[in-house]
Amino acid sequence: AQTVTQSQPEMSVQEAETVTLSCTYDTSESDYYLFWYKQPPSRQMILVIRQEAYKQQNATENRFSVNFQKAAKSFSLKISDSQLGDAAMYFCAYRPNLNSGGSNYKLTFGKGTLLTVNP
Amino acid sequence: NAGVMQNPRHLVRRRGQEARLRCSPMKGHSHVYWYRQLPEEGLKFMVYLQKENIIDESGMPKERFSAEFPKEGPSILRIQQVVRGDSAAYFCASSPVLTGAYEQYFGPGTRLTVT
Repeated sequence: AQTVTQSQPEMSVQEAETVTLSCTYDTSESDYYLFWYKQPPSRQMILVIRQEAYKQQNATENRFSVNFQKAAKSFSLKISDSQLGDAAMYFCAYRPNLNSGGSNYKLTFGKGTLLTVNP
Repeated sequence: NAGVMQNPRHLVRRRGQEARLRCSPMKGHSHVYWYRQLPEEGLKFMVYLQKENIIDESGMPKERFSAEFPKEGPSILRIQQVVRGDSAAYFCASSPVLTGAYEQYFGPGTRLTVT
């Protein structure tokens, strides 16, 4: 069974600084997707960034980027120029690719990292 | 294009009552997924439905919980005889086709409190 581990229950960063959130996962699949979701106090789940395992290039979305290390099964999120609005719970999630068969629609989530941004 | 809609946003039930949670997927989406988020936890998969079909309910408790997605109308997650341990946030997500390259889009969730 796939598992996703976020070893940092809480992190804090100064406004305008950079912070990295860690995520590791365990799977026997070779083709899959990895995601970072943001959950602000409103509890709405917002997709921040997505990485496809067969792509070696790390995904980037504006101030958000990932460091994907497939061999190490590591998928960290870097937030640059942190803003007050980045304060939220961040969840790392995994899903097998459609063509991998099995339950390829199930997202498996980590327990989350609560990010605080200090002004 | 309206997003995934869930109602109610907050629901309070006494122990033993029934809870009905509704989810309207995004327009054009025919696949619905329910997830549950217990306090201090990440979301956990409960059930996957297509119109009039339950595809996978492996994450749903065997008793008291049921889900449907009728031909017309929203998907319903039903919890009978609620207990305190059912208190959680319940999220619905939808996708246009069986998720391949397509994302699951989440609704705002329903927070169920059992008193």
